[in-house]
Amino acid sequence: AQRVTQPEKLLSVFKGAPVELKCNYSYSGSPELFWYVQYSRQRLQLLLRHISRESIKGFTADLNKGETSFHLKKPFAQEEDSAMYYCALYNQGGKLIFGQGTELSVKP
Amino acid sequence: DAGVTQSPTHLIKTRGQQVTLRCSPKSGHDTVSWYQQALGQGPQFIFQYYEEEERQRGNFPDRFSGHQFPNYSSELNVNALLLGDSALYLCASSLKPGSSYTFGSGTRLTVV
Repeated sequence: AQRVTQPEKLLSVFKGAPVELKCNYSYSGSPELFWYVQYSRQRLQLLLRHISRESIKGFTADLNKGETSFHLKKPFAQEEDSAMYYCALYNQGGKLIFGQGTELSVKP
Repeated sequence: DAGVTQSPTHLIKTRGQQVTLRCSPKSGHDTVSWYQQALGQGPQFIFQYYEEEERQRGNFPDRFSGHQFPNYSSELNVNALLLGDSALYLCASSLKPGSSYTFGSGTRLTVV
């Protein structure tokens, strides 16, 4: 079965602390994985995708096929990072399968 | 570029009624996908339209149907509404299936 699991519903950290939002997936084949972010009262937007291997707003994510994980990391959290984060998996044909999301709260 | 436009933004319907939600894709995009996002959940795939045909469908009953027009805009229809259909309905467009999605702001449907 194709599935994305985000084990934490809420992650609360202080400003300047490191952040890691966990994502595990189940998929037979080569997965294409994404992180989407939804800031308060804004639409869902792409944060990064694993094939581009880029860093957006200081966030990075590495695909670990052995552990079937795609955790999102940032070394120093900022208050403006507070948002809902969704990990998603593309199946063949372009269907995005989302995890349940993790709410990141960065406290001053 | 207005991006993906959805209408209406909010809607209240009575159980048993029918509803139509509309989506205009981002300029240049030809593929439209619909998602249902219940409160506290991640978006769930309903179906995807490309070349005016339904290409993929998620685990939703036949009460959920759609259409894509020659200008690539799309409609989502839900018949015989249930209280459980209350959710945020998201439209996403892309340039061909399998390309990156751009999401709309969604239509908040409340069934009473």
